[in-house]
Amino acid sequence: SQQGEEDPQALSIQEGENATMNCSYKTSINNLQWYRQNSGRGLVHLILIRSNEREKHSGRLRVTLDTSKKSSSLLITASRAADTASYFCATAGFTGNQFYFGTGTSLTVIP
Amino acid sequence: KAGVTQTPRYLIKTRGQQVTLSCSPISGHRSVSWYQQTPGQGLQFLFEYFSETQRNKGNFPGRFSGRQFSNSRSEMNVSTLELGDSALYLCASSKDGQTGNNYGYTFGSGTRLTVV
Repeated sequence: SQQGEEDPQALSIQEGENATMNCSYKTSINNLQWYRQNSGRGLVHLILIRSNEREKHSGRLRVTLDTSKKSSSLLITASRAADTASYFCATAGFTGNQFYFGTGTSLTVIP
Repeated sequence: KAGVTQTPRYLIKTRGQQVTLSCSPISGHRSVSWYQQTPGQGLQFLFEYFSETQRNKGNFPGRFSGRQFSNSRSEMNVSTLELGDSALYLCASSKDGQTGNNYGYTFGSGTRLTVV
């Protein structure tokens, strides 16, 4: 399976703290994307980082990519209760039309 | 602009029955992908349709099938339901279905299927 792994599986923090979650994958990629899922709902696209990029920012989100280690991290700064959700990384190859999703990190932000 | 619409939101079926789920993509998007999400297996790719043609299929038995209509709306069908088919089924809409084209996909809210 080409499914990625995410860690931690679950993370619980206080509001205002930063949350970091990591994603490792197995094959060469063209891009890596992070998605958020609220309690069994659909996936919401957060940010995309290309294989030739090392870091990308979007609001309170910061994503890094290390292709030599086949890993990525998502940092959410100054977390809010509304950030409580599951976060998934998804990798895409240079060709093809399917994503390979990680196992997800369940984030709980305590008010 | 309207998002991706999946119907129904919830469905309860009995083992052995069949079920059809529907997905309407964003206007102008020609690709629809389907994913199954379960606690044990996570998000698994089912298949992708573009311009009414199935271009790619994941590792699922033949009981899982789909189709796409000329207006890009897609349906997936599961026949002879098993308990293990209980899952959240998500569809994703994109312009061309090429995940390497460096843009995000838009997912629907999913259909929660429970097989009893």
